[in-house]
Amino acid sequence: NAGVTQTPKFQVLKTGQSMTLQCAQDMNHEYMSWYRQDPGMGLRLIHYSVGAGITDQGEVPNGYNVSRSTTEDFPLRLLSAAPSQTSVYFCASSWSGPRDEQYFGPGTRLTVT
Amino acid sequence: KNEVEQSPQNLTAQEGEFITINCSYSVGISALHWLQQHPGGGIVSLFMLSSGKKKHGRLIATINIQEKHSSLHITASHPRDSAVYICAVGGSEKLVFGKGTKLTVNP
Repeated sequence: NAGVTQTPKFQVLKTGQSMTLQCAQDMNHEYMSWYRQDPGMGLRLIHYSVGAGITDQGEVPNGYNVSRSTTEDFPLRLLSAAPSQTSVYFCASSWSGPRDEQYFGPGTRLTVT
Repeated sequence: KNEVEQSPQNLTAQEGEFITINCSYSVGISALHWLQQHPGGGIVSLFMLSSGKKKHGRLIATINIQEKHSSLHITASHPRDSAVYICAVGGSEKLVFGKGTKLTVNP
């Protein structure tokens, strides 16, 4: 099993550009989530999904969209990148939610200039 | 007030020392997670617990639900234990994370 994979590992965007961060898992997990990690802030939840076709907002959803058309994939879209979105982004998955062991992807380091 | 507070923020130890990292939370939870993040690296789950105590090798995690407090202990610390240790508490659908404790173990 590959576990949780994320692409790309690094990305530089100009302000106003859009892009999609990819996240996939091969463990048949129902729960998937996106976090951003900023210095001194800890991990903060952007969006999460409890199953295919179901998504919900987390703590910092503004400027981001998600969809969950399959169990395996949970892409995160930046609609119009801003310097405030410079961060490290982690995708995670688990069987059914916060009560289960969490599996994290390797992260994507995004810089917006 | 943050929902999850970790202490200390930074910790430096000599190889072989016994380490304790604390986590206090203010919300009702279904589970508490301890995670490890090495410099520049990904995040790995160490423990998930909802009561009592768990042990993996030199690592021990305890939780006191009534006091809303958990501790992570490392016995016989080693330089390879140098990492950021993160506490996260889970409700029904979301995890809330502490800011992490940066541990440096010197040889």
